[in-house]
Amino acid sequence: KAGVTQTPRYLIKTRGQQVTLSCSPISGHRSVSWYQQTPGQGLQFLFEYFSETQRNKGNFPGRFSGRQFSNSRSEMNVSTLELGDSALYLCASSLWDRGRGAFFGQGTRLTVV
Amino acid sequence: KQEVTQIPAALSVPEGENLVLNCSFTDSAIYNLQWFRQDPGKGLTSLLLIQSSQREQTSGRLNASLDKSSGRSTLYIAASQPGDSATYLCAVTNSGGSNYKLTFGKGTLLTVNP
Repeated sequence: KAGVTQTPRYLIKTRGQQVTLSCSPISGHRSVSWYQQTPGQGLQFLFEYFSETQRNKGNFPGRFSGRQFSNSRSEMNVSTLELGDSALYLCASSLWDRGRGAFFGQGTRLTVV
Repeated sequence: KQEVTQIPAALSVPEGENLVLNCSFTDSAIYNLQWFRQDPGKGLTSLLLIQSSQREQTSGRLNASLDKSSGRSTLYIAASQPGDSATYLCAVTNSGGSNYKLTFGKGTLLTVNP
């Protein structure tokens, strides 16, 4: 069974640009969550999607957005990139039953220059 | 607001030693607690998942305990090996609604020396 797949693995963008990251969850998983990991703040929750609906949102500016498609694949978008957006972005997928835990992808390393 | 703390922040031990990593959380109304391992620059690998009604879970040389009332969990690693070197993270999911949000601690960086 394939795991969570995130693409691309690495990105370098210029300040002011926008970026789109992609996440394909484990087959059968309908919940996809996104997290930002930085050395200073650790892992912080961005948002969670379930059946194409955003159910939870973390404390991030509106420049961070996401969506989920009917096949449960998810994308997150960051507009008007800032240097502080440089981070490892991790996607997690879960079954409809949250008691089964979360499974993470390898992440996308975003560097803003 | 749920807060998760992990102590120590870093730990260095000789190979073969048994060790304990600690995790505490401020709100005991959790649904479950999950321990993860993260290698440098990589994603998170799930190690153990403990439901709020459970006291412990075991997988190989790993044993995780949960004391929900006191807001604590420990991860015990037996007979540590250099391959165990990584950052270990604990995360809780709060109960109530359909909340899939994980709240993480900052992690414990473990180094096992040959």
